[in-house]
Amino acid sequence: QLQLQESGPGLVKPSETLSLTCTVSGGSISSSSFFWGWIRQPPGKGLEWIASIYYDGSTYYNPSLKTRLTISVDTSKSRFSLKVSSVTAADTAVYYCTRRPSGLAIDYWGQGTLVTVPS
Amino acid sequence: DIQMTQSPSSLSASVGDRVTITCRASQGISNYLAWFQQKPGKAPKSLIYATSNLQSGVPSKFSGSGFGTDFTLTISSLQPEDFATYYCQQYYSYPLTFGGGTKVEI
Repeated sequence: QLQLQESGPGLVKPSETLSLTCTVSGGSISSSSFFWGWIRQPPGKGLEWIASIYYDGSTYYNPSLKTRLTISVDTSKSRFSLKVSSVTAADTAVYYCTRRPSGLAIDYWGQGTLVTVPS
Repeated sequence: DIQMTQSPSSLSASVGDRVTITCRASQGISNYLAWFQQKPGKAPKSLIYATSNLQSGVPSKFSGSGFGTDFTLTISSLQPEDFATYYCQQYYSYPLTFGGGTKVEI
């Protein structure tokens, strides 16, 4: 059974860079035809797609955040990562990592990690 | 960007009720539509992909239909464990976008 586990700092100061990692277990992150991605949810609000990376390294970013985002994958450690630069209180959210088969919908979610940026 | 609009934003229902949630896309998305269920404090759970296909392990009381711009999620007989917030998402094109959610409550 595939499992995704997010890890991150919990608290990030305004203007700093948020770094999150998603560790994949129970399956190969190198398998072809999967997108690995990040979705966030501000407290009490809905879901927002942030970024995805394809198994071949192609990256896709939400245009509203693109200038501040970097997504990458480390196949040797079976994990992928997200960096969000110049954070503000508006970046406070639960961040989820996900897997999506090519041409299909998200099938696996991590449990989520809360990141707080104080105002 | 493709805007996804869900209705209603919330609904009250009883155990045993048949519940229908609608999702409308601002442009045609073929059948690239997914549904997710989220309970308080938990990660979303994937329910349906490609409009009408159940993810592994999802009970058949959930069903989906539609094509193009108009889609529905139906729960045939609401049970206590089904009280949650439901989200639709299009994966036809980037950026991937979600509906605002429908909270199903007693």
